[in-house]
Amino acid sequence: GQNIDQPTEMTATEGAIVQINCTYQTSGFNGLFWYQQHAGEAPTFLSYNVLDGLEEKGRFSSFLSRSKGYSYLLLKELQMKDSASYLCAGMDSNYQLIWGAGTKLIIKP
Amino acid sequence: GAVVSQHPSWVICKSGTSVKIECRSLDFQATTMFWYRQFPKQSLMLMATSNEGSKATYEQGVEKDKFLINHASLTLSTLTVTSAHPEDSSFYICSARDSEFITEAFFGQGTRLTVV
Repeated sequence: GQNIDQPTEMTATEGAIVQINCTYQTSGFNGLFWYQQHAGEAPTFLSYNVLDGLEEKGRFSSFLSRSKGYSYLLLKELQMKDSASYLCAGMDSNYQLIWGAGTKLIIKP
Repeated sequence: GAVVSQHPSWVICKSGTSVKIECRSLDFQATTMFWYRQFPKQSLMLMATSNEGSKATYEQGVEKDKFLINHASLTLSTLTVTSAHPEDSSFYICSARDSEFITEAFFGQGTRLTVV
C-alpha cells in the first residue's frame, strides 16, 4: 500500500532550526512535495524533490533520499509566522499525490 | 506561481439545499483538477479527480451522486454538494494541475462550508 508518515506535532523556539521528517511508500515515485498550511487556509507549495540531495530555498531546505524513502524539511531562523502545519506528499507513478497527515509546528518565543 | 481561484471562500446553507463551488485556473490550462475535503486537524482527503471533458473519478467512499463534479473547460471545474447535511460541513479545497508541468499542482483558497 501507499503511505506517508510524519510526526504529528513539533515544538521549536523562535530563531532556532527545526527538521521535520517524512518517510514514504508509494507505487512508483515521481517526486516528494512539501506544503505549508496555516489554520483555515489552503496549502501553499514549499518544495519539490525528485532527485537525491538537498534543495535550498532561503530559510527552507528540503532533502530527499530515494533509496531510504525519506525526506526532511529544514526550517532555519524560525519566525513566529512559521507556526503552521507542514504537509509531506509523495507523487506516485500515476502522478497522484499521496498525502501525509501533516506536522503541526508550534513556535515559542 | 500559477493562480487558482476558488469561489466562494465560505458559505452557510440550510440542510437539504445544494451548494456549488467553483475552481478556476486563471493563467494556465488545467486538464486535471482535484477536489479535497479537510476536517479540522486532519490532513487533506482526496474526494475526486476531474479531467476536462470526461467523468470524474471518485475515491472510495465518496458518493458521486451527492458530490457532483463538472469539468467543462480547461480552466473551470465545479463541485456541487447536493442535499447538504450538517456532516458535510468541512473545508473543501480544489487543486489544478498545469497541463504542461504535470508534476506541479496549485491550490485554490478553499471553501469553508457550514450546513445548518
